Amino acid sequence: GAVVSQHPSWVICKSGTSVKIECRSLDFQATTMFWYRQFPKQSLMLMATSNEGSKATYEQGVEKDKFLINHASLTLSTLTVTSAHPEDSSFYICSARARDSKETQYFGPGTRLLVL
Amino acid sequence: GENVEQHPSTLSVQEGDSAVIKCTYSDSASNYFPWYKQELGKRPQLIIDIRSNVGEKKDQRIAVTLNKTAKHFSLHITETQPEDSAVYFCASRRGGSQGNLIFGKGTKLSVKP
Repeated sequence: GAVVSQHPSWVICKSGTSVKIECRSLDFQATTMFWYRQFPKQSLMLMATSNEGSKATYEQGVEKDKFLINHASLTLSTLTVTSAHPEDSSFYICSARARDSKETQYFGPGTRLLVL
Repeated sequence: GENVEQHPSTLSVQEGDSAVIKCTYSDSASNYFPWYKQELGKRPQLIIDIRSNVGEKKDQRIAVTLNKTAKHFSLHITETQPEDSAVYFCASRRGGSQGNLIFGKGTKLSVKP
């Protein structure tokens, strides 16, 4: 099946720094990528949807200036958490939808962020 | 807005028994309903999905049923095994062919040997 990778798998940073997370579709072209946030024992909360070559669409309540999303190619999307604070600590998961599939989403392994 | 309700939040069964997880959705335009299994600290894995033009789909020990009129769908796992223990999420795709997935809150399934 389709493979989605994420890097890094975990990161610890100091408050105030910025963190970039990469999401790659390894064996397919992803026209749309999604970024989710998951708190312990909770569901996946959609943060934003990004389409290759266009601006991301953010969900209500998600600050676009804090969570910068770039989808520069059909195989790569990045999420940058700017000026991270402890409350940003969470599990961030991306998913990708293939060009030839309007439905199935494949998830990356997630990135665990801890802001001290 | 659109939402997906999932029940129960936790489910404990004996190995070999069946497990049923139910979800309801609010958006009548939803037409795609996947189920994901997530083990602790790992990515959600698609285990089965169903489209609105089908009432039931089966894949070995896993089946999904859809009632469009009532706007609910269910996951059925038969002959459960300890390795089925995980958190299961239902989802519905909102608003048309390019819509986003809306997830339920998850069900933690524990299968006791």
